[in-house]
Amino acid sequence: GDSVTQMEGPVTLSEEAFLTINCTYTATGYPSLFWYVQYPGEGLQLLLKATKADDKGSNKGFEATYRKETTSFHLEKGSVQVSDSAVYFCALKSYTGRRALTFGSGTRLQVQP
Amino acid sequence: GAVVSQHPSRVICKSGTSVKIECRSLDFQATTMFWYRQFPKKSLMLMATSNEGSKATYEQGVEKDKFLINHASLTLSTLTVTSAHPEDSSFYICSARVGLAGSYEQYFGPGTRLTVT
Repeated sequence: GDSVTQMEGPVTLSEEAFLTINCTYTATGYPSLFWYVQYPGEGLQLLLKATKADDKGSNKGFEATYRKETTSFHLEKGSVQVSDSAVYFCALKSYTGRRALTFGSGTRLQVQP
Repeated sequence: GAVVSQHPSRVICKSGTSVKIECRSLDFQATTMFWYRQFPKKSLMLMATSNEGSKATYEQGVEKDKFLINHASLTLSTLTVTSAHPEDSSFYICSARVGLAGSYEQYFGPGTRLTVT
């Protein structure tokens, strides 16, 4: 079945550091890929998405590229801020079988001033 | 973006009692809502898909008689945990789907922390 694997957290960085959160997936067919962010006390919010191979999703300085050959969708940001502290979830939506999202376990990011 | 609310945000109940959790789409109508369960340091696990006006579709391994889902209107879905036990303690998250076929978006509620003593 479909699955998503994320790097374990927490990830602790200093402000303005470079961020990478790894995400790899297993799915049949060609899924759509997503990154969601959950700020403390809030619901998950869509951060960015990519629907086909080599697509790059981007938002708020975050980027992720859909790499079919490595089945990866790593999240990157060149310079993190304290306000980026949150839990980040990688997810996929397959177009075979069920249509709901399959999530990774989430990675907590802590950015220190 | 669209807003989804959940109530209550936290609930503590005694073993053997039932608890109802509400999920509302505040500024849009949702024919489909999803209920997820999140264990500590684990991913969100889909429990069931709730369709307005029809029976929910449960994922394999989820007891439909224990986790009752009602989607009586286009803005409200409820999850009732019946005869709760300590192992039901978890974080429950709903989401509402909006959009056209092929371009759906999911909007998530803030979650409900259930503790069964």
